[in-house]
Amino acid sequence: NAGVTQTPKFQVLKTGQSMTLQCAQDMNHEYMSWYRQDPGMGLRLIHYSVGAGITDQGEVPNGYNVSRSTTEDFPLRLLSAAPSQTSVYFCASSPTKAEQYFGPGTRLTVT
Amino acid sequence: DQQVKQNSPSLSVQEGRISILNCDYTNSMFDYFLWYKKYPAEGPTFLISISSIKDKNEDGRFTVFLNKSAKHLSLHIVPSQPGDSAVYFCAASDNFGNEKLTFGTGTRLTIIP
Repeated sequence: NAGVTQTPKFQVLKTGQSMTLQCAQDMNHEYMSWYRQDPGMGLRLIHYSVGAGITDQGEVPNGYNVSRSTTEDFPLRLLSAAPSQTSVYFCASSPTKAEQYFGPGTRLTVT
Repeated sequence: DQQVKQNSPSLSVQEGRISILNCDYTNSMFDYFLWYKKYPAEGPTFLISISSIKDKNEDGRFTVFLNKSAKHLSLHIVPSQPGDSAVYFCAASDNFGNEKLTFGTGTRLTIIP
């Protein structure tokens, strides 16, 4: 049981480039979410999904897209990277309640 | 507008003593609260939670207290151990624990051997 996995661990992008952060879970959890962690800001919710085919915006969705075609996968797409998107990104999943299981994170730098 | 606040960015405690981490919230719709622990280069891990119908929840060395009138909760760790050194995040949700969590900014706890 791998839990929540995220790839890549580290990424450097130039301004304007696009990329996809991958997230997968093998616990058959319905709920998945993406957070970003910035110094002094805690974790902020970007997008979330309550099941395959259903996604919704969180607190800071601008500049990011998500889709949920399967229960297992929840990729996060940066459409045109900006320096303000330099952050550590965490994916999480949970069965129903708020006790979410987090992945190890992706550290993204946009230059 | 920070709806969940952890006003102490850091805290140092002697090994074996009690660690008390505090959290305040402003949104009266929050009715489910959680504490997460985070080590460097790892994702947060769930520690303990409490529903607003309770004022205390205990799990081993960890106890969370909730004061709804003051919109305040605290995490007590007794006795503190070196492995407890980490960043602790307070989080809250409404609807008795839906999936949308609002996090505080975290408190870095250092246990001094």
